[in-house]
Amino acid sequence: KAGVTQTPRYLIKTRGQQVTLSCSPISGHRSVSWYQQTPGQGLQFLFEYFSETQRNKGNFPGRFSGRQFSNSRSEMNVSTLELGDSALYLCASSLKDASGANVLTFGAGSRLTVL
Amino acid sequence: DAKTTQPTSMDCAEGRAANLPCNHSTISGNEYVYWYRQIHSQGPQYIIHGLKNNETNEMASLIITEDRKSSTLILPHATLRDTAVYYCIVRVAHNAGGTSYGKLTFGQGTILTVHP
Repeated sequence: KAGVTQTPRYLIKTRGQQVTLSCSPISGHRSVSWYQQTPGQGLQFLFEYFSETQRNKGNFPGRFSGRQFSNSRSEMNVSTLELGDSALYLCASSLKDASGANVLTFGAGSRLTVL
Repeated sequence: DAKTTQPTSMDCAEGRAANLPCNHSTISGNEYVYWYRQIHSQGPQYIIHGLKNNETNEMASLIITEDRKSSTLILPHATLRDTAVYYCIVRVAHNAGGTSYGKLTFGQGTILTVHP
């Protein structure tokens, strides 16, 4: 079974530009969530999509947005990039088990550097 | 979701058991304990989860105290590849009708270093 695939793995942008990151979840997983990881703030939840609808959102400015397609693939977009947006962006997909617990499977991440 | 407290770092000799503690004294009855780890520059990896009973899988064992206020992740025979940051997370289960599956609150975790 293929894992969670994130593209691109590495990218460099300059301040003011925008970036789009892509995530393909594990087949059959309908929930996709996004996280930002920086040395200073650690792993922080950005947002979650389920059945093409945003179900939960973290405390990030409106420059961070996302969407989910009918095949559960997801993209996140960051507009007007700032130096502080340099981070590892992680996508995770999940499937709730019968007990109600849910296990997240993370991708390898997209490392964004803003110059 | 309940807050967790973990030691900042721990060391373990290769081949020995690594016992990673986690305190979650404010856990409520419907909250699971999850453990994830993150090896340098990779995405976090799920290890194990439990509600009340002790759990074991091919990676680790999870021991939850009877009052559920703390737990211990046990790696029975640590290897150098187990060097990672280990996160203990407490999160409410979402049963049928629940709509939020993907939000986890990560703390700083425990940096486990396995020495030769």
